[in-house]
Amino acid sequence: QQQVKQSPQSLIVQKGGIPIINCAYENTAFDYFPWYQQFPGKGPALLIAIRPDVSEKKEGRFTISFNKSAKQFSLHIMDSQPGDSATYFCAATTGETSGSRLTFGEGTQLTVNP
Amino acid sequence: DTAVSQTPKYLVTQMGNDKSIKCEQNLGHDTMYWYKQDSKKFLKIMFSYNNKELIINETVPNRFSPKSPDKAHLNLHINSLELGDSAVYFCASSHWGGDGYTFGSGTRLTVV
Repeated sequence: QQQVKQSPQSLIVQKGGIPIINCAYENTAFDYFPWYQQFPGKGPALLIAIRPDVSEKKEGRFTISFNKSAKQFSLHIMDSQPGDSATYFCAATTGETSGSRLTFGEGTQLTVNP
Repeated sequence: DTAVSQTPKYLVTQMGNDKSIKCEQNLGHDTMYWYKQDSKKFLKIMFSYNNKELIINETVPNRFSPKSPDKAHLNLHINSLELGDSAVYFCASSHWGGDGYTFGSGTRLTVV
């Protein structure tokens, strides 16, 4: 049972474009939604996160949009750069009640062409 | 200073062997995890420990045995390795309640 569904599987944009990665979840008890960025040969690194009491969060060029009623959230990367080329994972957790378990989406391979 | 360090980074071994992966964190976190990343890059939790106590034990074959000697260390021992065990294994840590994990750089296990 895949509790967090992520799309698209892969995405190619030109430098300066705005890639958008979408995630949908099923468990309404989820209360923390992080995004992770993974470069080849490295572990996932926390990029930005949101809680369901806000609809949007921005950190630098990265923005999360959150729609609680639709149980969906998305990552937007403004002015994308070739250095943003990586695999992006959305995730969700119920914190202590789940033993701090993070449930991940399937990942999106982003390529930003120069 | 590396926050979450795993050793070894690469491990190539034959079917049937027993191997161990070690993990150490210097972040002062009280919770540590093992995640498996398969060939399609899907990340799935295997185990979590909080203050040396096993909290999460997913449906992982009992050939996999985690051990946490203290809250800064979490090791993974795998008996009788099978071809299907080939994957990247990530150690991670967080504070209990989970606001943001820190992952290690992974151990790529190849069983031949």
